[in-house]
Amino acid sequence: AQKVTQAQTEISVVEKEDVTLDCVYETRDTTYYLFWYKQPPSGELVFLIRRNSFDEQNEISGRYSWNFQKSTSSFNFTITASQVVDSAVYFCALSAHSGGYQKVTFGTGTKLQVIP
Amino acid sequence: KAGVTQTPRYLIKTRGQQVTLSCSPISGHRSVSWYQQTPGQGLQFLFEYFSETQRNKGNFPGRFSGRQFSNSRSEMNVSTLELGDSALYLCASSAEWTGEKLFFGSGTQLSVL
Repeated sequence: AQKVTQAQTEISVVEKEDVTLDCVYETRDTTYYLFWYKQPPSGELVFLIRRNSFDEQNEISGRYSWNFQKSTSSFNFTITASQVVDSAVYFCALSAHSGGYQKVTFGTGTKLQVIP
Repeated sequence: KAGVTQTPRYLIKTRGQQVTLSCSPISGHRSVSWYQQTPGQGLQFLFEYFSETQRNKGNFPGRFSGRQFSNSRSEMNVSTLELGDSALYLCASSAEWTGEKLFFGSGTQLSVL
């Protein structure tokens, strides 16, 4: 079985603060993929990043950075100097084999509100 | 390239009715998957279609069904609607499989009264 846990349901920060969104996953597969998606109020999920299980190198893209640690089964997402436009629901997802098929499991999402 | 298109954007139905939702994937994408999103539940996987075949299915009752056409467009059908079926239904496409980046549509907001 595979599972993704996003323990933070809602987070509020003041603009320009840094914020970290937590993601913990479970899978028995040795090859798997982790994702983060952003869902703005319009409803359409937007892809942010994909990492495979063999690449633990952290990644930075502008104000966004991701910390992947297999030892703790975590794939955390940090936004530096948050902006109002970052307000959205963020989903962590895991793609792995389950029952003979590649299956995607999403966490329940973290709603981020950035206050001006 | 046009994105994933879902129609209709909003639907209001009453209990017991049935509904059909449509999804047109990005051109060239062969995998289409469907998700149900409700507050507090996140995205629940419904099913995935690839080359007109259902490749994977989530834990939903048989009232939820789908199909994919030769042009990769997909439809999902919910029969005998229940109040609990009210949700945002999202469609996602990818080139070959769900280990790739998914491209999502804006969803169909279904309200069952």
